[in-house]
Amino acid sequence: SQTIHQWPATLVQPVGSPLSLECTVEGTSNPNLYWYRQAAGRGLQLLFYSVGIGQISSEVPQNLSASRPQDRQFILSSKKLLLSDSGFYLCACPVGQASWGSGNTIYFGEGSWLTVV
Amino acid sequence: DAKTTQPPSMDCAEGRAANLPCNHSTISGNEYVYWYRQIHSQGPQYIIHGLKNNETNEMASLIITEDRKSSTLILPHATLRDTAVYYCIVTQAGTALIFGKGTTLSVSS
Repeated sequence: SQTIHQWPATLVQPVGSPLSLECTVEGTSNPNLYWYRQAAGRGLQLLFYSVGIGQISSEVPQNLSASRPQDRQFILSSKKLLLSDSGFYLCACPVGQASWGSGNTIYFGEGSWLTVV
Repeated sequence: DAKTTQPPSMDCAEGRAANLPCNHSTISGNEYVYWYRQIHSQGPQYIIHGLKNNETNEMASLIITEDRKSSTLILPHATLRDTAVYYCIVTQAGTALIFGKGTTLSVSS
């Protein structure tokens, strides 16, 4: 079965410090991968998605970047964190192959809580 | 632009059925209706999805109208643990989920 790992689970970082959140997926190959963020009291916002190694699409211009160095690894980074980067970061991945007539299901990791102070 | 419209909140008594409506009048022929829920401080949890037929699994039932312009998620016997924000999302298979504000369901004893 497919598993999504995220780490760290929680972290507190000072303003201006760098960030690296990692997401790895098991049980699938060449998956689409997604990063979402949920700020306090806000909805889920799609940040980045990737359809393959080195292929990143950004949905919202911001202080963050994403990379996909390996097929099942997706990294969210920042060179200098802002207070507004605080939030709950979620990695997501679809189960199965997208094909007409079947649909598929996107599952989420357990998330990483980031507090910028 | 939001593809779905959901009531902001609903209440349900424990043990009763919870019926959560969703309007998606602009749905395309190749778009599915997905339902997720998010319990406080957790990631979204997949519930069910469908294309045009009604669907049922161990968690819920999904009723899609014949014209596909609306649907209803049914939790047959709501419990306190079903208190969450429920999201109805319309999208093509394999594409990113775009979340709206959802419906906050409060189940009380």
